[in-house]
Amino acid sequence: NAGVTQTPKFRILKIGQSMTLQCTQDMNHNYMYWYRQDPGMGLKLIYYSVGAGITDKGEVPNGYNVSRSTTEDFPLRLELAAPSQTSVYFCASRPGLSYEQYFGPGTRLTVT
Amino acid sequence: AQSVAQPEDQVNVAEGNPLTVKCTYSVSGNPYLFWYVQYPNRGLQFLLKYITGDNLVKGSYGFEAEFNKSQTSFHLKKPSALVSDSALYFCAVRDGGASNFGNEKLTFGTGTRLTIIP
Repeated sequence: NAGVTQTPKFRILKIGQSMTLQCTQDMNHNYMYWYRQDPGMGLKLIYYSVGAGITDKGEVPNGYNVSRSTTEDFPLRLELAAPSQTSVYFCASRPGLSYEQYFGPGTRLTVT
Repeated sequence: AQSVAQPEDQVNVAEGNPLTVKCTYSVSGNPYLFWYVQYPNRGLQFLLKYITGDNLVKGSYGFEAEFNKSQTSFHLKKPSALVSDSALYFCAVRDGGASNFGNEKLTFGTGTRLTIIP
């Protein structure tokens, strides 16, 4: 049972490039989330999903896209990367009957 | 709009002393409250939660927190601090009153860095 896994751990992008951050959970959780964590700030919700095929925007969705074709996977797509997207990105999941979230180890992204 | 305040960026405590990390919240419906801990270069780990019931909740690693509705607070406590408790602690709140689908937003505080001094 690996929990929530994220790849890559680190990535440097040039302005205007695109990439996909991968997130997989093996706990059969319906709910999945993407957050970003900026220095000195709490986590901000980017997108979330309540099940396969269902996604919705969080607080800071601009510049990102998501899809949820399976229960296990919830990739986050960055199109046209900008320096403002430099951050640490965390994926999380939770089961339907409990509210605590389980977090992945994070992806540190730098856009230059 | 819901919000969380952690008024102290940094808390230093001597090993063996009791510790408190403060959190106050604002939410329109019933508050669901959480504490998470983050160790360097790691994701957040769940410590404890308050959903309903007893105001004193116990969690992992000997931590506990007290829900105080009148003061809208949910302070994290531990009777005797360990050096291994040194980490970044986040308080979070969600509105338990709205429907699940429309209210998945978990609002985090800005974090409190706890340092336990040997």
